Amino acid sequence: AQTVTQSQPEMSVQEAETVTLSCTYDTSENNYYLFWYKQPPSRQMILVIRQEAYKQQNATENRFSVNFQKAAKSFSLKISDSQLGDTAMYFCALSGAWYTGKLIFGQGTTLQVKP
Amino acid sequence: SAVISQKPSRDICQRGTSLTIQCQVDSQVTMMFWYRQQPGQSLTLIATANQGSEATYESGFVIDKFPISRPNLTFSTLTVSNMSPEDSSIYLCSVEREDRVGEQYFGPGTRLTVT
Repeated sequence: AQTVTQSQPEMSVQEAETVTLSCTYDTSENNYYLFWYKQPPSRQMILVIRQEAYKQQNATENRFSVNFQKAAKSFSLKISDSQLGDTAMYFCALSGAWYTGKLIFGQGTTLQVKP
Repeated sequence: SAVISQKPSRDICQRGTSLTIQCQVDSQVTMMFWYRQQPGQSLTLIATANQGSEATYESGFVIDKFPISRPNLTFSTLTVSNMSPEDSSIYLCSVEREDRVGEQYFGPGTRLTVT
């Protein structure tokens, strides 16, 4: 069975600082995809970043980057220069390469960016 | 990107009644998904809806409780039947991005409260 675990229910960071959200996962597949989704208080889920397991290079999207450690099954999200608009719940998610449409979500981490 | 709308955005219903949630996409898609997000919790996949075939339900969800229709490639409905307070949740539909395995676009969600 595939599982995703986020061990930090809540985090806070000062505006302009850097914060890292943790995620670990388990899968028996050799190829898969990992994602970070953001859900602001308005509740529209938005994709933040995507990582393909067969690519060793860590994905980056502007201020967002990941640290993907395949052997350790770890997939953390780093947010640099945090902004007030980054306040949201962040979900780590896993999808198998042989796509059945199923995304497995972690429990979520609520991030509060303070002015 | 796909634009997804859901109706209604929120509703308050009495136990024992049913509610049908609509999901409309602005482009044709093969797979549509329905998720449930209980208060303060993560997302759980209810079912996958493909046009022209029966929906595929995840463990713990049954067709009698959550009947789904998929009449064409841009539209789907989810009915929550014989509701109880435990059905109070946010229900989200999503679609697969067909050129990027695993990526899904989400609708804004329907907040359901059962009294």
